[in-house]
Amino acid sequence: QVQLVESGGGVVQPGRSLRLSCATSGFTFSVYAMHWVRQAPGKGLEWVAVISSDKRNQFYADSVKGRVTISRDNSQNTLFLQMNSLRVEDTAVYYCAALWRGYGGNAADYWGQGTLVTVPS
Amino acid sequence: QSVLTQPPSVSAAPRQNVTISCSGSSSNIGNNYVSWYQQVPGTAPKLLISEDSDRPSKIPDRFSGSKSGTSATLGIAGLQTGDEADYYCAAWDSSLNIYVFGTGTKVTVL
Repeated sequence: QVQLVESGGGVVQPGRSLRLSCATSGFTFSVYAMHWVRQAPGKGLEWVAVISSDKRNQFYADSVKGRVTISRDNSQNTLFLQMNSLRVEDTAVYYCAALWRGYGGNAADYWGQGTLVTVPS
Repeated sequence: QSVLTQPPSVSAAPRQNVTISCSGSSSNIGNNYVSWYQQVPGTAPKLLISEDSDRPSKIPDRFSGSKSGTSATLGIAGLQTGDEADYYCAAWDSSLNIYVFGTGTKVTVL
């Protein structure tokens, strides 16, 4: 069955870096655009970034642009999010996801269980 | 950046019907498909409606979606206690090249 498993979250001091990973299985990872979506405690969903299936295009939310890089390894069916210069407001559960018609014509919708990133004040 | 606007909350008694509105712009809802998600706190969102009005298999037909211009609507018929959750609309914004989520609506069954 389809599985997306995020890892790499934790407590990190402001200004430091963190790399999240999302290992996938059960679907053809290489044909789907993949997203990161986050949710701060008690808040709504916030889209973070997307990468096209062929890695050629990446787009970012203004809130993370310049500090975050999305990447993927299609040979390993894995999605990454490199987060630099972390801020208190980056504290959230981070989900990797393939979003239906989110970008690039995806006709599938898959989500991981999320990984918590905490940046203490 | 742009977000899609939803009412913060809706409530109704069991077996009643509710609707949730989602207001956007021509660059997102007006020219791209709308999805609707249900999220029970502590869990990942679940797709309820895709491509404005299509229901994935296993989603009960009590859930429906529609779109007109730059607004979309989720309908829940015959409200059940298990429908208590947060609901989000979402769409790609082709002018900004970003994906936008709605502000979220909490559904309460009285």
